[in-house]
Amino acid sequence: DAKTTQPTSMDCAEGRAANLPCNHSTISGNEYVYWYRQIHSQGPQYIIHGLKNNETNEMASLIITEDRKSSTLILPHATLRDTAVYYCIVRALGAQKLVFGQGTRLTINP
Amino acid sequence: DTAVSQTPKYLVTQMGNDKSIKCEQNLGHDTMYWYKQDSKKFLKIMFSYNNKELIINETVPNRFSPKSPDKAHLNLHINSLELGDSAVYFCASSPRTGRRNSPLHFGNGTRLTVT
Repeated sequence: DAKTTQPTSMDCAEGRAANLPCNHSTISGNEYVYWYRQIHSQGPQYIIHGLKNNETNEMASLIITEDRKSSTLILPHATLRDTAVYYCIVRALGAQKLVFGQGTRLTINP
Repeated sequence: DTAVSQTPKYLVTQMGNDKSIKCEQNLGHDTMYWYKQDSKKFLKIMFSYNNKELIINETVPNRFSPKSPDKAHLNLHINSLELGDSAVYFCASSPRTGRRNSPLHFGNGTRLTVT
């Protein structure tokens, strides 16, 4: 699976949009981009995933660049409960496992 | 109605003991996993079972033995516990992978402390 690079930490004000970047410059054609988050003392929680089109669900939006070498997770109106470590993961179609990196520690400030 | 449940939530034990962690999922998934999160917060896969068959074993010491009595359960038994086994262990499940990649659903973890 391709490697991902994320900032170690980010801050965002409550109520604003949180934009979390991820670089995956070695991604290959059959690899999807996944986002998970881990709130303190809980298990990782699935957020969203995509291949090449932008995706949106009730939690977030995922914007993938045309060359697929980077993506951005957008939490449109961040709340204090969105404080967590956010993991960007590249996973090949049919791959059995998720490989987690260090993630981005997002802190939402009141 | 927890989807992936693990017991116990906390486990404190002494070196050399044998202990088990249980995991159950009620999602009807075919594949189950064990992940380990160490003190540096890295999440690493240990095992994966697909319909009771072992499909991934990430060079975990053989003191760790997963057991899958049926596809809804994947238990983790650890023999001769060592200090370095202290970590949070997460169970997860997903539908069978194939043409579609399906997300993994994680439990809330078992914090194991070996003294």
